[in-house]
Amino acid sequence: QQQVKQSPQSLIVQKGGISIINCAYENTAFDYFPWYQQFPGKGPALLIAIRPDVSEKKEGRFTISFNKSAKQFSLHIMDSQPGDSATYFCAARPRLQGAQKLVFGQGTRLTINP
Amino acid sequence: KAGVTQTPRYLIKTRGQQVTLSCSPISGHRSVSWYQQTPGQGLQFLFEYFSETQRNKGNFPGRFSGRQFSNSRSEMNVSTLELGDSALYLCASSSDRVNTEAFFGQGTRLTVV
Repeated sequence: QQQVKQSPQSLIVQKGGISIINCAYENTAFDYFPWYQQFPGKGPALLIAIRPDVSEKKEGRFTISFNKSAKQFSLHIMDSQPGDSATYFCAARPRLQGAQKLVFGQGTRLTINP
Repeated sequence: KAGVTQTPRYLIKTRGQQVTLSCSPISGHRSVSWYQQTPGQGLQFLFEYFSETQRNKGNFPGRFSGRQFSNSRSEMNVSTLELGDSALYLCASSSDRVNTEAFFGQGTRLTVV
């Protein structure tokens, strides 16, 4: 069964701090790992994504770290801001040719205190 | 470039009725996927259409169905609605097989009473 486990369920960080969200997967047949950010009343928005042949990817304040051997990947938000308060989802795409199915983690509700 | 458009934004239906939701993908995108989002189960994949063909299907009962038209617009239908079908239904579009980025619409909030 293809699963992605995400932790923590909720996270409170002070403004300027580092927010860290972790995900682990059980099936090695994934070839693409995106992170989505969702605000209340909105659909998920693609934040950053990584492929398993790369160990780290950075875009601005957001960094994905990927550990293929441990089947884990994490999102780091540096200098966290109140505007980053949202629900974050990690996801993984099964290696099925041409398919766009995503398997999502359960989500992390992030709150940045001013 | 316009984003993914889902209509309607909100729906209230009665148990036993059926409902049709619509999704217009980003111009030029040929893949449309549908997801159900609930507080308990999170985001779950329903099905994906590419060039009018269903390419992948999730673990949902046959009451959930979909289709895609030649202009890539997609509809999903839920028949014989149950209370547990209350959810946010999200549509995501992608350009082709190589480009893996999926862009979501704002969703349709379905409430079954």
